[in-house]
This record gives sequence, structure tokens and C-alpha cells, in this order.
Amino acid sequence: GESVGLHLPTLSVQEGDNSIINCAYSNSASDYFIWYKQESGKGPQFIIDIRSNMDKRQGQRVTVLLNKTVKHLSLQIAATQPGDSAVYFCAVASYDKVIFGPGTSLSVIP
Amino acid sequence: GAVVSQHPSRVICKSGTSVKIECRSLDFQATTMFWYRQFPKQSLMLMATSNEGSKATYEQGVEKDKFLINHASLTLSTLTVTSAHPEDSSFYICSARDSRVPYGYTFGSGTRLTVV
Repeated sequence: GESVGLHLPTLSVQEGDNSIINCAYSNSASDYFIWYKQESGKGPQFIIDIRSNMDKRQGQRVTVLLNKTVKHLSLQIAATQPGDSAVYFCAVASYDKVIFGPGTSLSVIP
Repeated sequence: GAVVSQHPSRVICKSGTSVKIECRSLDFQATTMFWYRQFPKQSLMLMATSNEGSKATYEQGVEKDKFLINHASLTLSTLTVTSAHPEDSSFYICSARDSRVPYGYTFGSGTRLTVV
């Protein structure tokens, strides 16, 4: 089965700096990856996704990088803002389920 | 976009009682819905997959007689925590898949269950 892990459980960044959150996965056949943001007491909110046939995808202030060789993906947040403080999860999706990684808590220092 | 509504958002119940949580897809039909449980400072753990018109599929270690799932329509799945105990206190989150969209998973806003 799929397992998804993260390198760091917590991350503190200065407001305005860039944030990088990392994630490792185990199944080389995984095809679809999603980053979610979860604020306290709320459900996960979709941020950005990437298919395995891509190695980079950009959104508004966010970029996801996928390295299939080492089974690693990362979420980059540009110009981090206080509103970005939350827990971020990478997840691997298949047609029958979504499996979440353990999460990284991002704290933005004003 | 696709919206999933979860109700209630918070519930407190006494030990030994049962509590029902509803998950509705508001603007799409979902033949498959999912139930997750999340303990404080932990990730979302998939409990079961709810299939419309058939039995739910439970993940290993999840008691099917304790966590009853009913998916009676294409827009509604319910999770009933039976004979609740304090250790069942958790954040329960549902998700629905929009089959019109590849990997079309949408999550509800969660239900905070506290058993006293």
C-alpha cells in the first residue's frame, strides 16, 4: 500500500520569506499527488495538485515539484504571509482513495 | 466548484450513546464517499469507503459494528458512532468523489465529536 511521509513536522518562517515543505512517498506507481492546507478546526483545503507525468506545476504563490526518481515532492510558498499559517499535508490519490501524509505545521513569524 | 456539506460541525454526547454525522454532496452526485478520523496533531486516517447502495469498505483496524455507515442516496452518507466512549472523541471528516472529474475529491469541513 501507499505510505506518505514528511521530513519535518514543524516549520517556522519569517513573513515575506519563501517556505518549502517536503514530502516523501513510497509507491513508485503513484500517479496523482495533492497538497492540502488545513486550518484549525476545519477540513482540508485543496491547494495544488500534480500528475506523475509532470515535474513542476505552479499556482498563485505556490509551486509543487515532483521528483519521481527519489519519490519526493515539495510545496513551495512564495512570500509567505501570516494567513499561510496552517498544517500542510501532501496526499497521494488513486481512483479509490486519498491517503494523507503526517503533515507539517507552518508558522509564519510577523 | 463541488461542495460537500458536513453536519453537525460540533457535537457533544454522553458515553454509551450514539451519534450520527451526515455528509452531503450539494451540487454533484457521489457514488463513493469517504470517512476519515483525525486526532489532535495527527494526520487524517481513512476509516472507510462508503458506496452508494452497497456495504461500506472498512480499513484495517476499524470496527464496522461501532462505526456504522449508510450511503442510501447519491448525495448522502452517514456515519453513526455507536456506544460512544471518550476515546472516540476526535475530528471526523468526510469526502466525496465527483465521478465526472478525474480524482475529483472534495472534503467536508469536519465534525468535532466530544464524548463525555
